[in-house]
Amino acid sequence: NAGVMQNPRHLVRRRGQEARLRCSPMKGHSHVYWYRQLPEEGLKFMVYLQKENIIDESGMPKERFSAEFPKEGPSILRIQQVVRGDSAAYFCASSQGEQETQYFGPGTRLLVL
Amino acid sequence: AQSVTQLDSQVPVFEEAPVELRCNYSSSVSVYLFWYVQYPNQGLQLLLKYLSGSTLVKGINGFEAEFNKSQTSFHLRKPSVHISDTAEYFCAVHGYSTLTFGKGTMLLVSP
Repeated sequence: NAGVMQNPRHLVRRRGQEARLRCSPMKGHSHVYWYRQLPEEGLKFMVYLQKENIIDESGMPKERFSAEFPKEGPSILRIQQVVRGDSAAYFCASSQGEQETQYFGPGTRLLVL
Repeated sequence: AQSVTQLDSQVPVFEEAPVELRCNYSSSVSVYLFWYVQYPNQGLQLLLKYLSGSTLVKGINGFEAEFNKSQTSFHLRKPSVHISDTAEYFCAVHGYSTLTFGKGTMLLVSP
């Protein structure tokens, strides 16, 4: 029974490049959440998606960041034209329903040089 | 709106001693509370959760937490810690659809 899977686990990008982070939810889960963890801070909510729909993106920066959860395949968090301030750990979580317990993946640690 | 305050950024303790990690919350909706643990360079693992019912919640690895509505607290406790409990602990409150986390408490267990 695989848990939430994220890849890559580590990603290095130069300023101006694009970063694509992938998340496969637990089997049977159709709700996906993305959180960002900056150094010495807690996790901050970014976006909440169900299949093919963005439910809540109130935590997403207005520019350069986008997320999708297609009918088939993993959820993708995309960061265009990365800057050094984007360096962080990005965690994905999934749940069976909106008010259900969220289970977290191992995270993707993004380093922007 | 929801918010979580973890009063201690670090808690040093000796092995086999008891520990309490403090968490206070505010929430304008139904209160669902969680504690997660994060080991170095890993993801978050659910320790325990309070949804309703008994205010004393038991979790994995010998941890427990008590929900106190009047004090808006959800402190985490363990009667005897191990070296392997060294990790960062996050308290979280569930809002309409998302989790709001505290800044975390680093538990440092030394021999």
